Amino acid sequence: AQRVTQPEKLLSVFKGAPVELKCNYSYSGSPELFWYVQYSRQRLQLLLRHISRESIKGFTADLNKGETSFHLKKPFAQEEDSAMYYCALRYSSASKIIFGSGTRLSIRP
Amino acid sequence: DVKVTQSSRYLVKRTGEKVFLECVQDMDHENMFWYRQDPGLGLRLIYFSYDVKMKEKGDIPEGYSVSREKKERFSLILESASTNQTSMYLCASGDPGQRYGYTFGSGTRLTVV
Repeated sequence: AQRVTQPEKLLSVFKGAPVELKCNYSYSGSPELFWYVQYSRQRLQLLLRHISRESIKGFTADLNKGETSFHLKKPFAQEEDSAMYYCALRYSSASKIIFGSGTRLSIRP
Repeated sequence: DVKVTQSSRYLVKRTGEKVFLECVQDMDHENMFWYRQDPGLGLRLIYFSYDVKMKEKGDIPEGYSVSREKKERFSLILESASTNQTSMYLCASGDPGQRYGYTFGSGTRLTVV
């Protein structure tokens, strides 16, 4: 069955330190992966998609099919990065998106 | 910008009440979804709809039903609210294939007492 796993419920790093939010998925087909972010008191919003290979707010994520991972990275954390982050997988057979359990990122000043 | 609007930000209902959560999107999206969001569990899909009058069960449909009479509106119904349905409910819409992911509403925090 399709699954998205985010092993860390909480990640706390100092401002200026590198950030890596882990995401692993299980899906036998060709996946499409996303990262969503939810800032305090704001709605859940798309951060980036693996197919666009873009960098948004300094974040990047590379799909590693061998390791079935899609980790989110940023070289230098900023306080405004504090938020809840969800990794998500779209599987084509059902045209649905499933989400991981989320990681709360806290940036310490 | 796609707008997905959920009619209530906060709701408090009593056990056994019938509860309606409304969601409206303004971008002519065919696909609409209802999730509940709980700490440590992430987002879990309750129901979704690919078209008017069409619906499919998600992962946790028990205790819920939905209605989609018009393309822009997708309603979630709790037939008889229970305390374990206290949660944040998120509505989302997306274009076919969701290549750009979903657009979410701001959520309805429902408390059942």
